[in-house]
Amino acid sequence: EADIYQTPRYLVIGTGKKITLECSQTMGHDKMYWYQQDPGMELHLIHYSYGVNSTEKGDLSSESTVSRIRTEHFPLTLESARPSHTSQYLCASSEGLNQPQHFGDGTRLSIL
Amino acid sequence: QQQVKQSPQSLIVQKGGISIINCAYENTAFDYFPWYQQFPGKGPALLIAIRPDVSEKKEGRFTISFNKSAKQFSLHIMDSQPGDSATYFCAARGNTGTASKLTFGTGTRLQVTL
Repeated sequence: EADIYQTPRYLVIGTGKKITLECSQTMGHDKMYWYQQDPGMELHLIHYSYGVNSTEKGDLSSESTVSRIRTEHFPLTLESARPSHTSQYLCASSEGLNQPQHFGDGTRLSIL
Repeated sequence: QQQVKQSPQSLIVQKGGISIINCAYENTAFDYFPWYQQFPGKGPALLIAIRPDVSEKKEGRFTISFNKSAKQFSLHIMDSQPGDSATYFCAARGNTGTASKLTFGTGTRLQVTL
C-alpha cells in the first residue's frame, strides 16, 4: 500500500476562510498530483508537479494554488473559500512518467 | 468534452457472476490504460493496467481486454464477490512533457449481491 497521507480528512468551514489541504508522501516520488472529485463522479486533475519548485495547472480550472518546496510535500491552498469549492480533493504521486499513480484517501471539503 | 467514456454508470451482479465494465477513448496518443477501484471514504487504488501493445491482461479474477482499432477496453471481474462492491474508474494516460496525466472515466458503481 502506498504511503501518501492527506489531512484533514474532513473539513467544514465558513465562506471567506483561507484553507490549506496537506498532502505528504514518504516514497520520494517526484511526480505529485491534485484531483477534484464530486461524490460518485469522475476525477479531474487540477494541479500537478514534476519536482521541487515546479507546478502546473491541470485540465480543470481551479481557484486553488499549490506549492512544491519539498519533494514529499504538496499542499493545496484556497485563499478565500466559497461554497462552489465544496468537493473531495485527492492527492496522488508517482515515481516516474511510466509508473502508476498512488492516491491518498482524500479531503472532503464543505464550505458553508 | 469527455475523452474517456465509461459504461454502465451502475451495475448489479449476483455473487459468482461476471461483471463487465466498458470504456472507450478518443485520443490515439493515450499509451497506458489503468483501472482503479474506489471504496467509500477511500482514495482510488490501482487494480490492473494495460498498454496498447497487449490485447489482454489477467490478474487473478480481473481481466482487461483491449481493442486498439476500436479504441475500446473493458474490465471483466470473474466470480464476482460482495467484497468487489465498489466504484470502478477506467483511465487513460497521455504523456505531456515531464508529467504523466490521467484522464478518468465517469465511474461505474458495482454492487455484488448474495
